[in-house]
Amino acid sequence: GAGVSQTPSNKVTEKGKYVELRCDPISGHTALYWYRQSLGQGPEFLIYFQGTGAADDSGLPNDRFFAVRPEGSVSTLKIQRTERGDSAMYLCASSLGRGLAGGDEQFFGPGTRLTVL
Amino acid sequence: KNQVEQSPQSLIILEGKNCTLQCNYTVSPFSNLRWYKQDTGRGPVSLTIMTFSENTKSNGRYTATLDADTKQSSLHITASQLSDSASYICVVSAIKASGGSYIPTFGRGTSLIVHP
Repeated sequence: GAGVSQTPSNKVTEKGKYVELRCDPISGHTALYWYRQSLGQGPEFLIYFQGTGAADDSGLPNDRFFAVRPEGSVSTLKIQRTERGDSAMYLCASSLGRGLAGGDEQFFGPGTRLTVL
Repeated sequence: KNQVEQSPQSLIILEGKNCTLQCNYTVSPFSNLRWYKQDTGRGPVSLTIMTFSENTKSNGRYTATLDADTKQSSLHITASQLSDSASYICVVSAIKASGGSYIPTFGRGTSLIVHP
């Protein structure tokens, strides 16, 4: 497929556990974004990568959240010591690479639904 | 603090009718405004984007307007179809104060239900 893919589609974990969420962007897109969306809310910006580097991580809520993109393609969002409040839909988006500056269109993946029991 | 407020929170209309969704924002300095359509359980899909100098943009049956002076935008849907049932999200991007990347602020969305 040519779109953004995310795995797993659903993840159920216990409080205190570690989880990894994966995002495969559209081929050739250098910019990648992570968002978190709670029920009935709009997506909340977490972090934005330009290539391999995190260009802006100001949206990460605390140091339990971390994201990497080691080869400038696939990205992994990592959450340590999960809490019930982390339960949400985690969305990934990619764009051609002007980042957010040029009004670059972001293409979203289907999301990963995380449930922390 | 940058904010995007959308109204109504939810809307139910009959198939074939028109409707208008509203978006008010306090994002500054303004870069651009997008309307997204998000089907249940799916990621958002961009419908329109407008910059400061644009005051209207159409995409098929969707027409977005922007008044940068009053910081208001609207999304008008003409001749609604059952497939228009979704959440419509207004997203406003601003220039980050320290320079560099633009930070998008998402509204909560308007949930539209189109009944046959």
